[in-house]
Amino acid sequence: AQSVTQLGSHVSVSEGALVLLRCNYSSSVPPYLFWYVQYPNQGLQLLLKYTSAATLVKGINGFEAEFKKSETSFHLTKPSAHMSDAAEYFCAVSDHRGGNQFYFGTGTSLTVIP
Amino acid sequence: NAGVTQTPKFRVLKTGQSMTLLCAQDMNHEYMYWYRQDPGMGLRLIHYSVGEGTTAKGEVPDGYNVSRLKKQNFLLGLESAAPSQTSVYFCASSDPRGLGNTEAFFGQGTRLTVV
Repeated sequence: AQSVTQLGSHVSVSEGALVLLRCNYSSSVPPYLFWYVQYPNQGLQLLLKYTSAATLVKGINGFEAEFKKSETSFHLTKPSAHMSDAAEYFCAVSDHRGGNQFYFGTGTSLTVIP
Repeated sequence: NAGVTQTPKFRVLKTGQSMTLLCAQDMNHEYMYWYRQDPGMGLRLIHYSVGEGTTAKGEVPDGYNVSRLKKQNFLLGLESAAPSQTSVYFCASSDPRGLGNTEAFFGQGTRLTVV
């Protein structure tokens, strides 16, 4: 079975500070992992994805994530937060060998303080 | 490109009323999904489909029905709405057959309130 745990439902950072959003997964197969961002009253937009190629994945808007199998983690980082990064972030894992279902974490709301 | 389109965007229902949410995708994807999003609970899968004419239950299927008569459309029905079904509903599609195309693409959501 697949599942995702996001530590911290709310994270606040100062503008220009490091952003770190945590995601741990559980998967019975080699996982495909994703980070999505949701702006208010909008749908989910893909930030980046890991599909068993490079363990360090770069995404849009300066975000990146590192797949660490030994820690079953896929934490999202950005070196310098911008006001426009304020949003809800979701980590997800897919069972790509089955019905390709996506399992989402409960989300982390990022606040950027000017 | 339209991608995934959901209609309506907003709806208010009275308890016991029925309605259908429509999802349409123009990417020729095989797989389609309906999720509901509630505060603090992330996205939970209601039903999904792996191809035209097929449907399957997800994590929270009770009170909902779905149909996939055409490949591009996935309908979510509420036969007798309850206040517990107040939520934001998202449709998504994917096609893992595509080279490198592994992610789900989402619509803009339908905000449903049941009073």
